[in-house]
Amino acid sequence: EDQVTQSPEALRLQEGESSSLNCSYTVSGLRGLFWYRQDPGKGPEFLFTLYSAGEEKEKERLKATLTKKESFLHITAPKPEDSATYLCAVQDWSNDYKLSFGAGTTVTVRA
Amino acid sequence: GAVVSQHPSRVICKSGTSVKIECRSLDFQATTMFWYRQFPKQSLMLMATSNEGSKATYEQGVEKDKFLINHASLTLSTLTVTSAHPEDSSFYICSARGQGPSGANVLTFGAGSRLTVL
Repeated sequence: EDQVTQSPEALRLQEGESSSLNCSYTVSGLRGLFWYRQDPGKGPEFLFTLYSAGEEKEKERLKATLTKKESFLHITAPKPEDSATYLCAVQDWSNDYKLSFGAGTTVTVRA
Repeated sequence: GAVVSQHPSRVICKSGTSVKIECRSLDFQATTMFWYRQFPKQSLMLMATSNEGSKATYEQGVEKDKFLINHASLTLSTLTVTSAHPEDSSFYICSARGQGPSGANVLTFGAGSRLTVL
């Protein structure tokens, strides 16, 4: 069974204070690792897909990296609008495009 | 880009009634749609997978008679919560797999539906 563990559960940052979120995963055959952003009362918004160890992707102040066991989401010089819950999910080759989600990291950026 | 519309966004109903939630892919054809349930401060739990024109596949522990899923066309899937009870109160989110700007492998999510059963 696929397992996804995210840490920390919550992260409070000062504006401009860079930090990283961790996503550890166990999967029989990784098709892809996904990062989503979720605002309160909304559905997840797609950020990145990573497919193989060593891959990196960037979007504005966010950068996602992948190893064989974990992924990191780096937030550089965050702004208050980066406050959200960041969800990590894995897709297994044997699971027909289903996503298994972690519990998320709730990031709060103070001005 | 790929857009999934979910309706209603909020619904309040009395115990014992049934509620239908719609999920539509607006600018692409979704061969597969997924229904998730999310409790406060918890992750998304997959309930079922629906493929257009065939019966839905339910995850272990999900009552298929309680949560009826219909995927009648390539752009519409519905979730009906039958004989709803307070413990069915939750945030229900659909997602669709199809050709979006990031490719067919990416799931696009709807905005979610908050169900409150009194």
